[in-house]
Amino acid sequence: KAGVTQTPRYLIKTRGQQVTLSCSPISGHRSVSWYQQTPGQGLQFLFEYFSETQRNKGNFPGRFSGRQFSNSRSEMNVSTLELGDSALYLCASSLVGDRPYGYTFGSGTRLTVV
Amino acid sequence: DAKTTQPNSMESNEEEPVHLPCNHSTISGTDYIHWYRQLPSQGPEYVIHGLTSNVNNRMASLAIAEDRKSSTLILHRATLRDAAVYYCILWGGSNYKLTFGKGTLLTVNP
Repeated sequence: KAGVTQTPRYLIKTRGQQVTLSCSPISGHRSVSWYQQTPGQGLQFLFEYFSETQRNKGNFPGRFSGRQFSNSRSEMNVSTLELGDSALYLCASSLVGDRPYGYTFGSGTRLTVV
Repeated sequence: DAKTTQPNSMESNEEEPVHLPCNHSTISGTDYIHWYRQLPSQGPEYVIHGLTSNVNNRMASLAIAEDRKSSTLILHRATLRDAAVYYCILWGGSNYKLTFGKGTLLTVNP
């Protein structure tokens, strides 16, 4: 059974640019959530999608956005990149997101903003 | 979000049991206790979860206090591959997210 796939694995962008990260959930999983991990702030929740609808959003500026497609794949976009956006971005999928089933995480996309 | 308190770090020897504690005195009746771990250079990995009763799976056991204000993750025989940051998380389900604290860094000595 394939796990959660995140692409690309590594990315280097320049300040002011925008970036799109992709996440393919486990087959059959309909809930996809995104997290940002930095050494200073740890793991922080960005947003969660289910059936193409955002159900919850973390405390991040509007430059961070996401979407989910009908096949449950998800993308997140960060516009006007800042140095502080350098982080590991993790995607997690779950069957429906509102049951105590475990979330399965991908290996993440390491974004470096220079 | 209800908070959890874990020791910053713990050390264990290979093939010995490890008991990782977690305090969650403000847990609500509908909160599940989840444990995840994160190995170096990987995303977090689900370990186990429970509500009231003790739980076992192939990775670990979860012992939940009777008043549910604390729990302990038990690794029965630690291996070097168990060296990771372990996160204890309360999950209520209604907000569709995991709230991670700083976790416990487990070091396993050969």
